Amino acid sequence: SYVLTQPPSVSVAPGQTARLTCGGNNIGSKSVHWYQQKPGQAPVLVVFDDYDRPSGIPERFSGSNSGNTATLTISWVEAGDEADYYCQVWHSSSDHLGFGGGTKLTVL
Amino acid sequence: QVTLRESGPAMVKPTQTLTLTCTFSGFSLTTSAMCVSWIRQPPGKALEWLALIDWDDDKYYSTSLKTRLTISKDTSKNQVVLTMTDMDPVDTATYYCARIRGTRMAPFDFWGQGTLVTVSS
Repeated sequence: SYVLTQPPSVSVAPGQTARLTCGGNNIGSKSVHWYQQKPGQAPVLVVFDDYDRPSGIPERFSGSNSGNTATLTISWVEAGDEADYYCQVWHSSSDHLGFGGGTKLTVL
Repeated sequence: QVTLRESGPAMVKPTQTLTLTCTFSGFSLTTSAMCVSWIRQPPGKALEWLALIDWDDDKYYSTSLKTRLTISKDTSKNQVVLTMTDMDPVDTATYYCARIRGTRMAPFDFWGQGTLVTVSS
């Protein structure tokens, strides 16, 4: 199956920029979606199709995808952004959906 | 508005079969380009995709769990049912259902609150 690799943790100070990566073989050819999950809650979609934002998601959340790495960028990080973040793709050649292992974002 | 709600037993014994129901509102699985999927999350661990069913009754399963899973829909009741056979303590997890508006490449735009299933004798 298709493997998505995320760093287990990222720490950033308030007001700084957090860059969360999602690695996969030629992931740039796929549509990547990103979810935010806070403790005890269901995941929430924050970026879809590499860089689009659902309504209600702040512009501080942005995405990019090229080559073997997709990136979720959170600008002007706030304490409320502290959460687990998961990337997700559909792997067409095997008709299989995959999630990354998740990155815990800590706001210092 | 779109809502999804998971229901099923909170606890099952090893080797038993788990049956979970996702009851949804605000959309129909008879509508073209609509899918419902099951995802689980063991305590403290990552999300794991289990199965997906689309408006055309096409079904897709996690490769690692395919032999144990069956997904089905009842469009008259707006429900999607997941059965998982031969349950084991490692299957203890919160089980979510979620909607995709689009093809299976599209994102999950709405999620249920999840239901915790504990496997224990």
